[in-house]
Amino acid sequence: SYELTQPPSVSVSPGQTARITCSGDALPKNYAYWYQQKSGQAPVLVIYEDTKRPSGIPERFSGSSSGTMATLTISGAQVEDEADYYCYSTDSSVYHRVFGGGTQLTVL
Amino acid sequence: QITLKESGPTLVKPTQTLTLTCTFSGFSLRTSAVGVGWIRQPPGKALEWLALIYWNDDKRYSPSLKSRLTITKDTFKNQVVLTMTNMDPVDTATYYCAHTYCGGDCYFDYWGQGTLVTVSS
Repeated sequence: SYELTQPPSVSVSPGQTARITCSGDALPKNYAYWYQQKSGQAPVLVIYEDTKRPSGIPERFSGSSSGTMATLTISGAQVEDEADYYCYSTDSSVYHRVFGGGTQLTVL
Repeated sequence: QITLKESGPTLVKPTQTLTLTCTFSGFSLRTSAVGVGWIRQPPGKALEWLALIYWNDDKRYSPSLKSRLTITKDTFKNQVVLTMTNMDPVDTATYYCAHTYCGGDCYFDYWGQGTLVTVSS
């Protein structure tokens, strides 16, 4: 079955840039999406269609995609950005959806 | 304003069938480019996509769980129901339903609060 691979954890100091990657063989043909999940809460969409930011999401969140890797970048990470981040996309059949394994972001 | 809420049993026994209901407002499953999906998350683990149903009654299932899952919709009640057969303790998880918008692609943009289901004898 199709898999999206993320690093288990990323750690930055406040104000630094955090980059979270997501790799998958079908990413060259399919969009990547990014969800933020804080402890005990439902996920929130922070990036859609590789690079777009929903209304209400701070500008410090941005997304990019190149080849088999998508990247979520948080420029000037804040303490309140501490959360688990999940990428989401589609397999090569465009039939099945999948989440990455999640990355725990620590801003300390 | 789009809202979704999951309901169903909090405790099921092994081998039983789980039935979860997602009741939503702020959109209709009679509207094109709309769908509702189910996602689960075992305690301390990652999100797992389970199933999707679209406005046109097209259905999609996780390949690894397809034999155990059924997703249906009731457009008049604004509900989507997920059934999962032969429950096992490893199915213990928070189950979420979410609104799917299909523009160029389909993605979850609004989520319910989730409901914790424990599988234990």
